Amino acid sequence: SQQGEEDPQALSIQEGENATMNCSYKTSINNLQWYRQNSGRGLVHLILIRSNEREKHSGRLRVTLDTSKKSSSLLITASRAADTASYFCATYEDTGNQFYFGTGTSLTVIP
Amino acid sequence: GAVVSQHPSRVICKSGTSVKIECRSLDFQATTMFWYRQFPKQSLMLMATSNEGSKATYEQGVEKDKFLINHASLTLSTLTVTSAHPEDSSFYICSAKILGGGLHNEQFFGPGTRLTVL
Repeated sequence: SQQGEEDPQALSIQEGENATMNCSYKTSINNLQWYRQNSGRGLVHLILIRSNEREKHSGRLRVTLDTSKKSSSLLITASRAADTASYFCATYEDTGNQFYFGTGTSLTVIP
Repeated sequence: GAVVSQHPSRVICKSGTSVKIECRSLDFQATTMFWYRQFPKQSLMLMATSNEGSKATYEQGVEKDKFLINHASLTLSTLTVTSAHPEDSSFYICSAKILGGGLHNEQFFGPGTRLTVL
């Protein structure tokens, strides 16, 4: 399977704490994207990082990419209860034309 | 911009019936659309890649006769679940890639269709 893996599978933190999720993938990529999904809803695009980038910020989000280790991390700082959702990484391959999604991390932020 | 819609958002049907799900790019042209399936508390699994005017490319393990895909125009792709059974109950999500690739080959996702087969 070309699907990536994320860890942890589930994460529960207190409001105000930081949440870190990791994503590992298997192939050479063009870019990696992080998405958020509220329960039973569609996907919301959060941030994209290209293969030649190492770190990117967007508001309370910080994404890193290590292509040598084929891994990425998503950090959400100062978490809020509204951040409760599932978070998926998705890789876009160099040679293919598809996205492959990671297994996802279910984040619960306790008020 | 770059909005993708899906219709219906939710469908309940009896076992043995066929269900058609539409995916439309509302304000852009999409040469390529993708269909994903998501079971509860699991990730999205790519089912097939749909190219306008040609046959869809199915991922391994996806039955092409079961999941019929038609991409008749640059703004519309349809997925028909034929002779649906309870195990086909799932959340189906489409995405569309902007003609010409767009910035970083970005894809835009529809809101999903919840299919429940009784």
